[in-house]
This record gives sequence, structure tokens and C-alpha cells, in this order.
Amino acid sequence: EPEVTQTPSHQVTQMGQEVILRCVPISNHLYFYWYRQILGQKVEFLVSFYNNEISEKSEIFDDQFSVERPDGSNFTLKIRSTKLEDSAMYFCASTLRGGTDTQYFGPGTRLTVL
Amino acid sequence: EDQVTQSPEALRLQEGESSSLNCSYTVSGLRGLFWYRQDPGKGPEFLFTLYSAGEEKEKERLKATLTKKESFLHITAPKPEDSATYLCAVQGGTSYGKLTFGQGTILTVHP
Repeated sequence: EPEVTQTPSHQVTQMGQEVILRCVPISNHLYFYWYRQILGQKVEFLVSFYNNEISEKSEIFDDQFSVERPDGSNFTLKIRSTKLEDSAMYFCASTLRGGTDTQYFGPGTRLTVL
Repeated sequence: EDQVTQSPEALRLQEGESSSLNCSYTVSGLRGLFWYRQDPGKGPEFLFTLYSAGEEKEKERLKATLTKKESFLHITAPKPEDSATYLCAVQGGTSYGKLTFGQGTILTVHP
């Protein structure tokens, strides 16, 4: 069964450093999402992406964050200058048709900012 | 702003003891309500989508129902492998794809 994959599974970085989190969505999917989950808190929407453009973003997704689909398979989330409060699980999700189509989530990347 | 509240925060059941989880929501024009299961350290795993009040969906020991203000996830004769966090999420009329999640209910089923 096709699945969303994410790398790395755990990333440790120093405050102020740039990190890139990588996702490989399900191959025929067209809509891509990033969510994060701070330990013990709700899963929070960050951004949605379609046709090489951001469709929607939350207040969390400020200028420190950017997303990119650098090739036909990868979808990345970049955090330019990490802060302690960026420590969280970051989940990628994808759907075929967008809207209320089922979002399939990856296993997540645990980001720890020291 | 879309809001989702789940209760209880945690639920302990004996194997075979049926119960229900609640998801209350406020949203401007519900496009869909979603139930996910999340195991520790893993991503949410899709269970159901409900679109309109009165709709019901079933999968094995789980049944999800929807009213205009809340959704229930009924668990019939649970087994220890049903232990997980169950997440409820909504998609409102002003968004296209964005899911707003509740805090989740941590379910533990003892043998």
C-alpha cells in the first residue's frame, strides 16, 4: 500500500540553524500539507501546497518557514533560523484531489532545537 | 475560527467494555469531520470522514456518528490493540484542505 515517507525521523539542531525536513508524498497525489505537533498539544496546520504554490497557511507559518517541491517526488519544509519553540513533531500529508479528500500522514520528523 | 473539543481526555476500559468518545465542534460551514487514530510516536492514521448530520460509518469495532454540533466514536467490545489516541478534526467552509484538530482522547484497553 502506498504511503507517505519522511526523513529524517529525528533531527537535532542548534538554535539559529537552518533545517530542511523532507517528505515523499504518495506518488499520484497532488495536494500536500505540513502539520506540527508540540509534545502534549494538538496537531496544528502549517501550510497547504498545490501546483507549486501555497494554497493556505496558518499564522504559525511566518517568514521563517518555506516549502518547496524541488522535483517530482519530494516536498520539503525549511525553517531558516530555528527557535527553541520550533521543537515538535512535523507531519507531512498528501491527498489526491484536495478539499475533503482523505489526508494520508507520514510518520513524522521529530525536531529538537537545543 | 474553527474549534474542536474532545472528551474525555483519557479513557480506560476493560477488554470487551464498550464506550463512546465525544468530539464537539464549532465551524463555519462544515465540509467534513474526520477521525484519526494515532499511536505513540507515529503519524495520524485515517479512520472515517463524515460529511453531514445523521451520517454514520463503521469499521470493525468502531462506529462514527455525526450531529450538527458533535460526533461520537463508539467502540464496541474493544481489544487491547485498540489502545491509541483518537483524534477528531474538522474542515470548515472557509478552508480548502486545512484540518483543525482536537486534543485527542487517549484510550487504554486492559486485557
